Amino acid sequence: DAMVIQNPRYQVTQFGKPVTLSCSQTLNHNVMYWYQQKSSQAPKLLFHYYDKDFNNEADTPDNFQSRRPNTSFCFLDIRSPGLGDAAMYLCATSRDHSPPNEQYFGPGTRLTVT
Amino acid sequence: AQSVAQPEDQVNVAEGNPLTVKCTYSVSGNPYLFWYVQYPNRGLQFLLKYITGDNLVKGSYGFEAEFNKSQTSFHLKKPSALVSDSALYFCAVGVSGSARQLTFGSGTQLTVLP
Repeated sequence: DAMVIQNPRYQVTQFGKPVTLSCSQTLNHNVMYWYQQKSSQAPKLLFHYYDKDFNNEADTPDNFQSRRPNTSFCFLDIRSPGLGDAAMYLCATSRDHSPPNEQYFGPGTRLTVT
Repeated sequence: AQSVAQPEDQVNVAEGNPLTVKCTYSVSGNPYLFWYVQYPNRGLQFLLKYITGDNLVKGSYGFEAEFNKSQTSFHLKKPSALVSDSALYFCAVGVSGSARQLTFGSGTQLTVLP
């Protein structure tokens, strides 16, 4: 089945220690998104890629970076995690972003910062 | 600007009864409306969408939603609730041609009581 895969499902890192979360997709979608979700709140969009074009949300901290080396993979790098970065990180894909398409989400990575 | 409101944080309904989860939106232009469901420690799953056409949209797992342009609403409904429908539900809105991506509501926790 075509799907969005996130690894790992649970990640524990230390305060200030860089961490990378990964996402892959077999849907061959053009757009990949990274969201941060805290405590059953609305997902907050951090950034997205349309193909290789990177689009950063204005309020995404510089501490968060992303890479998309090819169509299938996308990475979220947190350069110096703080306690406030503990959250569920969701990757999603869509075929296009204009007009708005339904997004397909991975299972998420729950990040704990100690 | 675009925004979406889910006025109820929590909805409780007895199994077998009809359920409604409310959503209202505000956009400049024609809205693209989506409903997603999230189970604990999982990503969001797409349920249904409205783009144009028939105001009653049918989706997965027996859910449907009614688009009401005059009331700027897109309420999610199901004729007969199941205990397994208990989850967190998110409404989302987007607009074609906008630089903004989907805007998600704050979520409604649905509990179906046996």
